[in-house]
Amino acid sequence: ETGVTQTPRHLVMGMTNKKSLKCEQHLGHNAMYWYKQSAKKPLELMFVYNFKEQTENNSVPSRFSPECPNSSHLFLHLHTLQPEDSALYLCASSPPGHDSGANVLTFGAGSRLTVL
Amino acid sequence: AQTVTQSQPEMSVQEAETVTLSCTYDTSESDYYLFWYKQPPSRQMILVIRQEAYKQQNATENRFSVNFQKAAKSFSLKISDSQLGDAAMYFCAYRSAEDNAGKSTFGDGTTLTVKP
Repeated sequence: ETGVTQTPRHLVMGMTNKKSLKCEQHLGHNAMYWYKQSAKKPLELMFVYNFKEQTENNSVPSRFSPECPNSSHLFLHLHTLQPEDSALYLCASSPPGHDSGANVLTFGAGSRLTVL
Repeated sequence: AQTVTQSQPEMSVQEAETVTLSCTYDTSESDYYLFWYKQPPSRQMILVIRQEAYKQQNATENRFSVNFQKAAKSFSLKISDSQLGDAAMYFCAYRSAEDNAGKSTFGDGTTLTVKP
């Protein structure tokens, strides 16, 4: 375990369902991220939050809705998804500062999403 | 925009031998960080090694070392005395030093197989 916990690990949903992915870290990190990892594609950054404020939305469709209620928790709300949204969704966090650990991403194990 | 290129989709190495994974990147910045991350079949991505661009000395971490050529924008990873547990997908990543909570750009990854 890296200290970043993602739930659920697996999720199957229909295109009309509404579900949420959860990410939690108690590492004292200020920044949290959602990445999408699809087969045969590079990691795609979706959203960045710094001290609870969204600083990056990488042209993600509105059917993905992030929420960051505090620096330790990050959600990804899903609704009316498409089959091509099936992927591994990775949450990551990173600490502030410029020491040797700064800027390093700590990843969760991922949530494997299948959209039917 | 920065790009990261890993030209080897797959690599194979015999146990106890040495293997080098290639990575090149493109940037106009002078201060940045480079990383190698490892994603084993269990999916949780972890940091292997980190290099700060302003440091000329190549980073090393036990059996893992890098060859950082700033002028050539090259950042290769050398794994010595390969072990079965080194089998994983390896990602090269770039992050600007200017960006306090910004995005890391990843390469497409190299799948490393270790043969017993």
